[in-house]
Amino acid sequence: ETGVTQTPRHLVMGMTNKKSLKCEQHLGHNAMYWYKQSAKKPLELMFVYSLEERVENNSVPSRFSPECPNSSHLFLHLHTLQPEDSALYLCASSQGQGRDEQYFGPGTRLTVT
Amino acid sequence: GQNIDQPTEMTATEGAIVQINCTYQTSGFNGLFWYQQHAGEAPTFLSYNVLDGLEEKGRFSSFLSRSKGYSYLLLKELQMKDSASYLCAVKNGVREGYQKVTFGTGTKLQVIP
Repeated sequence: ETGVTQTPRHLVMGMTNKKSLKCEQHLGHNAMYWYKQSAKKPLELMFVYSLEERVENNSVPSRFSPECPNSSHLFLHLHTLQPEDSALYLCASSQGQGRDEQYFGPGTRLTVT
Repeated sequence: GQNIDQPTEMTATEGAIVQINCTYQTSGFNGLFWYQQHAGEAPTFLSYNVLDGLEEKGRFSSFLSRSKGYSYLLLKELQMKDSASYLCAVKNGVREGYQKVTFGTGTKLQVIP
């Protein structure tokens, strides 16, 4: 596969469940990002990893826990979520230098019941 | 703080020209991106401006005036497939190994026959 992939594409979970979102990039990029996209709101940056080190945490509640085991993989661990956490979660990667445009995955549509 | 404004929705006719404006207030401006996002899909990179002036790429052009905090995306010879949301995003500051971008809420463009 090429580009940025995300699994699962759709997820429905209860407030007491634990689940994980997975992102993989095949572009050789050094930086990876998690964004939340809700209806009628701008993309919200959640976390940034550069060379597997977390460099940004945008005041995200602790019920969201990121993990970056290597420069190609990024996870978002979810537990005890709230209904207002229902949204599209997008992963992105970038080179980490120069113009540094981001390449986005297709997203995971999360519904918390 | 960061603030990005763009119109919520626009409608234009197939074959016509449309201009989507974006104004921003930000500290540490370091470039402006435009992304296209079709419904249910990932955002994809369209253009990048860091210096004042016009950047042309086929049917799409993007303009930047840093002194006015203003950019626009110009789409010529509109096609039905151009119906999408267009996201304006400002790169903030200079960071080593990654970038921090603030997104606008996006402009939903509908192209009609």
